[in-house]
Amino acid sequence: EDQVTQSPEALRLQEGESSSLNCSYTVSGLRGLFWYRQDPGKGPEFLFTLYSAGEEKEKERLKATLTKKESFLHITAPKPEDSATYLCAVQARENSGGSNYKLTFGKGTLLTVNP
Amino acid sequence: DGGITQSPKYLFRKEGQNVTLSCEQNLNHDAMYWYRQDPGQGLRLIYYSQIVNDFQKGDIAEGYSVSREKKESFPLTVTSAQKNPTAFYLCASTWSIYSNQPQHFGDGTRLSIL
Repeated sequence: EDQVTQSPEALRLQEGESSSLNCSYTVSGLRGLFWYRQDPGKGPEFLFTLYSAGEEKEKERLKATLTKKESFLHITAPKPEDSATYLCAVQARENSGGSNYKLTFGKGTLLTVNP
Repeated sequence: DGGITQSPKYLFRKEGQNVTLSCEQNLNHDAMYWYRQDPGQGLRLIYYSQIVNDFQKGDIAEGYSVSREKKESFPLTVTSAQKNPTAFYLCASTWSIYSNQPQHFGDGTRLSIL
């Protein structure tokens, strides 16, 4: 069974204090790893897709990296508007359990950036 | 702007009542999904559909039903058989259920029990 574990559950940073969020995964074969941002009362907003180990993607203050076992979302010099829950999801290469290429989501990391 | 529209934003269900959540997309996507989000849990898949008049059960389909009469629309009915319906419901779409492209989400419907 595919599993995704995100850590920490919650992270509180001061504005400008860089840090990283972790997404550890266990899948039979990775087709894609997805990062989303979710604001309270809203749907997840797509950030990045990573397809293979060693791949990196950047957007503003965010940088996502991928290894064979985990992904990191690095936040450089965060601002209060970066406060949100960050979700990680994986898609397995093999069709398992009859659910074609479904996503398995982690529980998310709640990031709070204080001014 | 292209996107996914969910309505209503808030919904209240009485005992024994069926309620229907709306999801419409203008992204020309073939695949549509319904997820349930509970506090402290990851998103869980309820139903998904690749084409009109065809849909598949996800991991937690009991107590729910769907239809896909139009490509753009994928309504979810929460039936009285769903004993714990209070949750945040999210609709998503992408090009194909066989694709590894990202799913895009609507802004959700929060369902509560009266």
